[in-house]
Amino acid sequence: AQKITQTQPGMFVQEKEAVTLDCTYDTSDQSYGLFWYKQPSSGEMIFLIYQGSYDEQNATEGRYSLNFQKARKSANLVISASQLGDSAMYFCAMREGGAGGFKTIFGAGTRLFVKA
Amino acid sequence: SAVISQKPSRDICQRGTSLTIQCQVDSQVTMMFWYRQQPGQSLTLIATANQGSEATYESGFVIDKFPISRPNLTFSTLTVSNMSPEDSSIYLCSVVGTGVGNTIYFGEGSWLTVV
Repeated sequence: AQKITQTQPGMFVQEKEAVTLDCTYDTSDQSYGLFWYKQPSSGEMIFLIYQGSYDEQNATEGRYSLNFQKARKSANLVISASQLGDSAMYFCAMREGGAGGFKTIFGAGTRLFVKA
Repeated sequence: SAVISQKPSRDICQRGTSLTIQCQVDSQVTMMFWYRQQPGQSLTLIATANQGSEATYESGFVIDKFPISRPNLTFSTLTVSNMSPEDSSIYLCSVVGTGVGNTIYFGEGSWLTVV
């Protein structure tokens, strides 16, 4: 069964506008971490933001914020004031606690296109 | 975060041959991970490489096809053996960083095309 679900294969956003990329997850662990990564066409994986399952505040990093709704098991990424350089693939990922250790699993990704 | 270097960055390989990808980290790390990303797909974990022990492979990946070495705390290699076109992928090395949440950080990736 899918543990990380990203339902938007592609998204378009106008430059300078905000965009939300959806992510839902499935776990029975109480302790887990949620991550977002950006992958430009160069192929490198760039870490953007982290949210811990016990964190009460939504994580923010510059123009990135994570809308964490624990009861709904969702961890949406919000990018404010989109820039042309934000055009890339975005992956939601989860690390479970317990026997899973530090293994991080990834969703299918969302390709974001920023229009000028 | 650690600086992670991978070699080669790209290669075109002949069917039936093997290629070894190197991953060098600028600091000592306990756990290293190898991922595969097939064209247009997400990342799939191949194995966890710990120094001093055999790598732990995920379902669908076997040591004969993807042998891994981890001779010390800063270096690992992944070999893709007897390659076929289905092995054409980006192979990514990653390590657990020292930041919050045990975030994993990635090398630049090795793009392999098998012809």
